[in-house]
Amino acid sequence: GQNIDQPTEMTATEGAIVQINCTYQTSGFNGLFWYQQHAGEAPTFLSYNVLDGLEEKGRFSSFLSRSKGYSYLLLKELQMKDSASYLCAVRARPNFGNEKLTFGTGTRLTIIP
Amino acid sequence: DSGVTQTPKHLITATGQRVTLRCSPRSGDLSVYWYQQSLDQGLQFLIQYYNGEERAKGNILERFSAQQFPDLHSELNLSSLELGDSALYFCASSPDGLGNEQYFGPGTRLTVT
Repeated sequence: GQNIDQPTEMTATEGAIVQINCTYQTSGFNGLFWYQQHAGEAPTFLSYNVLDGLEEKGRFSSFLSRSKGYSYLLLKELQMKDSASYLCAVRARPNFGNEKLTFGTGTRLTIIP
Repeated sequence: DSGVTQTPKHLITATGQRVTLRCSPRSGDLSVYWYQQSLDQGLQFLIQYYNGEERAKGNILERFSAQQFPDLHSELNLSSLELGDSALYFCASSPDGLGNEQYFGPGTRLTVT
């Protein structure tokens, strides 16, 4: 099966930078996603990586290293509205079987003034 | 507003009952995904349909079933409900079968008493 690990909680200061790490173990890797979810709301798509390297999207960047089974989400110029849970998800086709998308349990990020 | 609609917003029912959750994808999107989110288990992928056909299956119980209709709306049927089925059920849609960017609906909160 797939195993995804990310920190449960993080705290950062408004205006600063924070990096949320995600490690995974899977076979048949076929993409890694980051979603943001505010409490009681639906997840919203942030980024998608399938090749190694950095994808930048405004204040948010996501990095992937497939050989290390590692990704991070970098949030710059933090704002209070960035307080949310950040979900790492891995898509894989283990043993060339059914493709599955597995979510981590999420990192709850709290921004303090 | 993602453009994905789900009904009902809230549902309270008793153990042993059967319910149907409905989802309308964004205009033009061919894929529909169903997820279950409970406090102790995070976001769990249940099933994906693409243009009316089942495309991928996740951790969906045998008591649960889904279908996608010719107009592309989808229904998730939950039967023989148990207390543990209480959760938020999200539907998401994407333009293609790859699901590289999924748009989530607001969710249906199911409470089984």
